Amino acid sequence: DGGITQSPKYLFRKEGQNVTLSCEQNLNHDAMYWYRQDPGQGLRLIYYSQIVNDFQKGDIAEGYSVSREKKESFPLTVTSAQKNPTAFYLCASSPGTGGTDTQYFGPGTRLTVL
Amino acid sequence: QKEVEQNSGPLSVPEGAIASLNCTYSDRVSQSFFWYRQYSGKSPELIMSIYSNGDKEDGRFTAQLNKASQYVSLLIRDSQPSDSATYLCAVTPNTGGFKTIFGAGTRLFVKA
Repeated sequence: DGGITQSPKYLFRKEGQNVTLSCEQNLNHDAMYWYRQDPGQGLRLIYYSQIVNDFQKGDIAEGYSVSREKKESFPLTVTSAQKNPTAFYLCASSPGTGGTDTQYFGPGTRLTVL
Repeated sequence: QKEVEQNSGPLSVPEGAIASLNCTYSDRVSQSFFWYRQYSGKSPELIMSIYSNGDKEDGRFTAQLNKASQYVSLLIRDSQPSDSATYLCAVTPNTGGFKTIFGAGTRLFVKA
């Protein structure tokens, strides 16, 4: 099956901890994204990557870090510098250059700070 | 600040009626427009994409785009209780663009 997977589905973080959210896609898409969704709000872009070994900050990158060492993988680390990390985190991908810009989403990870 | 505005709702319609969801955007150079459906606790799924002025139909769904008025809408005909969800409007400044802007969504409730 082609698609985007995210793990874990639920994640609990203690104060001062760094946690890493996984995102993998087998759609052969070039571009990948991380969004944060808070209740009653739209999706806010954290980071995006158009190609392997390259990524750009989105609108709310502070307290987050990413890597893109493989085309299929775009993990997000929520660092202790992120003061209010409790949210629903969504990973997405799109075909990228030469394709449509439609984004397809993974199932999401719900992060809660204890 | 580029914005996408939607009425948060809830919009309540009876089963079988037409649901009309509206969205306005501020960036005049926007070229790609999307409607996503999001069930509670789930991730968004694409319903429709539209790139040029006019109507685009897909089954019970019709997207309407008016670039002069910076307005995009989604009509759902013969609404079903399973259509009850939050509908997100999304706008990308240009084709092949990588920074899509999402509205906060309109909650739709279809009464059986």
